[in-house]
Formats: sequence, C-alpha cells, structure tokens
Amino acid sequence: SQQGEEDPQALSIQEGENATMNCSYKTSINNLQWYRQNSGRGLVHLILIRSNEREKHSGRLRVTLDTSKKSSSLLITASRAADTASYFCATGLYTGANSKLTFGKGITLSVRP
Amino acid sequence: DAGITQSPRHKVTETGTPVTLRCHQTENHRYMYWYRQDPGHGLRLIHYSYGVKDTDKGEVSDGYSVSRSKTEDFLLTLESATSSQTSVYFCAISDSSGGKQETQYFGPGTRLLVL
Repeated sequence: SQQGEEDPQALSIQEGENATMNCSYKTSINNLQWYRQNSGRGLVHLILIRSNEREKHSGRLRVTLDTSKKSSSLLITASRAADTASYFCATGLYTGANSKLTFGKGITLSVRP
Repeated sequence: DAGITQSPRHKVTETGTPVTLRCHQTENHRYMYWYRQDPGHGLRLIHYSYGVKDTDKGEVSDGYSVSRSKTEDFLLTLESATSSQTSVYFCAISDSSGGKQETQYFGPGTRLLVL
C-alpha cells in the first residue's frame, strides 16, 4: 500500500525560482526521506528527517516535517536546470530489527532555463 | 551508484520463461532490496534481504523469488515471466546506523520487457 503521496504530481518553474514539493502520509513513521531520480537512472538519496525533528537543511534543500499533520515539504531554493528530475518521498518504519521504506508515486519537476 | 551494479541492464523475454536478475554490491552492506517501478505506482518493494540466506517478502512478491548466498549478490528470479512483470527493476542496499538501516542506495536499474 502506498504510504507517501506527493503533491503536486508535476511542477514547472523558471530557473532561479524556488520549488516546493509536498508529501502526506497516513500512518506513524520513524523517518521520512526524499530521493531524486534523473531520467533513466536510479534513485539518489537527498535528505532524511527523523520523526522527532521538525526541519533540516542540506545545501539548497530544506525539508520540514509536521507529524501532527502527517506531512512533509521539500524546498529547493534557487533552482537550476540540473534540478530537473522526479522527486520521491519515502516513509521509513522500523519493524523489529529491520526497517522498510514505502515510496510515493513521485513529482516531476521541470526547471526551465 | 554507490558500488552497486545490476545485470543485465536490458532484457527482452517471452511469456512463460524464467528470468534471473542480478544485483552485485561492493559496499559490504547487510541489507539488500528489490523494487519494481511502474508508471502511476512509484516504487514497490518485491523482496528484501537482511543477511546471507535471510530474505523476506515485500508488497508485491507474487511470481518472484530471491536468493542471497553471498553478502555481495542478491538474485531476483521471475519463475515464469508474465507481461504484467514488464517493468524497471531496481536493487538497493543499506547498512545499519545505530542498529537501524535508513538511507538506501540504488543501482542503475534493469529494464525488462516480457512479450
């Protein structure tokens, strides 16, 4: 069953603008992660935020997590054409000694030069 | 791609034939995963492994089996391929941090077409 649901499904912005992508989920989580996928490639991990954290930064990325609303947002500031990709949120849940990630369907971001 | 290779990268096969996909890692990570990616569905977990000879089912395991005889290799077998198994298959690995594996690192994917 799909846990994370991203919004919007597609986003087109001009280079230099900020891109905001949202993810909502339904059940309890231990962490939430964002991944990027360039066309024809595997996923690349961007950032992880744990359930007891509210905000994290990594370079031009800012992720927030609101566990009361079961939602997260990923902000990419000063976007570049190279940011064009699909972005996935994934919710992490520890199950005994293991943990699993459940991925959303992804957001397609197009950054116009 | 974090020391992960998948083979083959592309395969065309016929319905009813067995197919084996291989994932090889050089990172000595304990955990390995197989996902499939389909339009409109995102990534879905097929099977995963938490050690040599230790595997478990994921969300969409029907029609698939896996084996892990060495830390570095995780094989995915489609016992009798069907057209519904046409997909892009990704292998991923992770290791423990504080006893819990978190970040996953993905291979380049295998495109499988079942005719």
